[in-house]
Amino acid sequence: QKEVEQDPGPLSVPEGAIVSLNCTYSNSAFQYFMWYRQYSRKGPELLMYTYSSGNKEDGRFTAQVDKSSKYISLFIRDSQPSDSATYLCAMSVARGNNRLAFGKGNQVVVIP
Amino acid sequence: ETGVTQTPRHLVMGMTNKKSLKCEQHLGHNAMYWYKQSAKKPLELMFVYNFKEQTENNSVPSRFSPECPNSSHLFLHLHTLQPEDSALYLCASSQGLTEDYGYTFGSGTRLTVV
Repeated sequence: QKEVEQDPGPLSVPEGAIVSLNCTYSNSAFQYFMWYRQYSRKGPELLMYTYSSGNKEDGRFTAQVDKSSKYISLFIRDSQPSDSATYLCAMSVARGNNRLAFGKGNQVVVIP
Repeated sequence: ETGVTQTPRHLVMGMTNKKSLKCEQHLGHNAMYWYKQSAKKPLELMFVYNFKEQTENNSVPSRFSPECPNSSHLFLHLHTLQPEDSALYLCASSQGLTEDYGYTFGSGTRLTVV
């Protein structure tokens, strides 16, 4: 079983819709969870990070972590064409950048 | 210039060639990383440097040779590569290894081995 599972998509939605992305994982010791956004021909950029279970909201973005189900989600409200990108989940056991396990990334296309 | 800059953006090389990828960060960060990003695969950590000392080598084949002359510059020297090494090579930096989260990534070098 892969450590982090993420459906690569692509996921196409109309502008204004809610985008829902998720990752599942197998290592119950993961405590730090991140979402990165990667535009075409660019490197990933950190979008959200959360520690342990719960929700975190930042503008139109909401990150959720359910450790009991080993499941994390990212929601994008009122999606815009500028949200078209690949979204990668990442997680780690301990606080430390060099221990991140990444998902494959999920390509999102927001259609005007 | 700001952020993390990688050159070249694109590189095509034969299996017998020797080439180098360059990464430079202007953020005052102390840790730098090389990642490999292949289609339909998760990001793979290759090397980690902290204060220009290598702290991690994730079982990377010796045809990839990193060099970190100072905390701002990182190189990846390539020789006798295989076609399966074709990928996007990303450089990243962070303030430290444990103090914070969130890399700053460069835009990557798209490598094609023919």
